[in-house]
Amino acid sequence: AAGVIQSPRHLIKEKRETATLKCYPIPRHDTVYWYQQGPGQDPQFLISFYEKMQSDKGSIPDRFSAQQFSDYHSELNMSSLELGDSALYFCASSSRPSSGANVLTFGAGSRLTVL
Amino acid sequence: GQQLNQSPQSMFIQEGEDVSMNCTSSSIFNTWLWYKQEPGEGPVLLIALYKAGELTSNGRLTAQFGITRKDSFLNISASIPSDVGIYFCAGHWNNMRFGAGTRLTVKP
Repeated sequence: AAGVIQSPRHLIKEKRETATLKCYPIPRHDTVYWYQQGPGQDPQFLISFYEKMQSDKGSIPDRFSAQQFSDYHSELNMSSLELGDSALYFCASSSRPSSGANVLTFGAGSRLTVL
Repeated sequence: GQQLNQSPQSMFIQEGEDVSMNCTSSSIFNTWLWYKQEPGEGPVLLIALYKAGELTSNGRLTAQFGITRKDSFLNISASIPSDVGIYFCAGHWNNMRFGAGTRLTVKP
């Protein structure tokens, strides 16, 4: 079965550079979530999109932005990178069943290292 | 906020032993999920719980949605070395929140 695809899997950037992560959700999933997981930490919610509109916002820095496109894929753009941005970035997708209960399926993650 | 308290933080057990971990919150959730994460990979869903009091099994795993909707537990019976990983609870209301994780080590 198709899963959530994230690219790139690994990315190395220097401070103050920009980075873009991409996420391709499971087919027919209309909701995308972005999470940041630092070393030894639990995943921290950044932002989510439903039907191409931002649906919820978590602890996403102002230097980051994201969007969901017409084909439902999403991109997370990170500018003015800082050392503390080094982390695993996970994308997850779900469909919005009428019951309102969401089950998130996660991608394998993109590891960002800022030097 | 919707903070989740997951315990224990880590467990070191012998192969064959049973494992129990839980999550509690001061807020109610309408869904409880349990995920397992292995190094460098994304969390993989183990069990989803949708109703208060619901008890669900997946092989050697059993999880329950607390009757107050503020807690959940996960049990693993007869642990094996491949159970090693970090187990996260996640509660959903308007958005998904994760516990801090339970790091499980199984000694052969």
